[in-house]
Amino acid sequence: NAGVTQTPKFQVLKTGQSMTLQCAQDMNHNSMYWYRQDPGMGLRLIYYSASEGTTDKGEVPNGYNVSRLNKREFSLRLESAAPSQTSVYFCASSGTGVMSNEQFFGPGTRLTVL
Amino acid sequence: DQQVKQNSPSLSVQEGRISILNCDYTNSMFDYFLWYKKYPAEGPTFLISISSIKDKNEDGRFTVFLNKSAKHLSLHIVPSQPGDSAVYFCAASAWNQGGSEKLVFGKGTKLTVNP
Repeated sequence: NAGVTQTPKFQVLKTGQSMTLQCAQDMNHNSMYWYRQDPGMGLRLIYYSASEGTTDKGEVPNGYNVSRLNKREFSLRLESAAPSQTSVYFCASSGTGVMSNEQFFGPGTRLTVL
Repeated sequence: DQQVKQNSPSLSVQEGRISILNCDYTNSMFDYFLWYKKYPAEGPTFLISISSIKDKNEDGRFTVFLNKSAKHLSLHIVPSQPGDSAVYFCAASAWNQGGSEKLVFGKGTKLTVNP
């Protein structure tokens, strides 16, 4: 039981390049999330998926797209990377139908855009 | 507009003493509150939570207090241990009909427990 896994762990891009961050969970959770963490800014929600086949914007969606490939996988795509997207990206998942709201986080992807 | 505020970026305490981390919120629709702990180079991990129908929840050395009238919650760690040194995030959620409970996070408080 690996929980939430993310690939890659580190990535360096040049401005304008594209890439996809991968996330998978093996807890049979319906909801999945993408956050970014910047120094002094806490965790900010980029996109989330309440269930397979649905996605919605979070607080900072500009410059990103997502795909909920199936119940297990939720990917985040940067079509044209910008230095402002240098950050640590976390994927998370949670069950539904309960008020606990506990989200389980992956280890993160550290992205640098030059 | 910060809906969840952690006004102390850092806190330093001695081993064995009490650590008190504070969190304020502005959205009265929040009905569930969580604390997460984060070590460097790792993802956040859930620590403890509290529903808005309660004013206290305890789990071992960790206790969370909720004061709804003041829109304030606090995390108490007693006794503090060096392994508690981490960044602590306060988070809040409001049930939405979409079925996914989005969390709003504070900016975090870095706790250092000195031996």
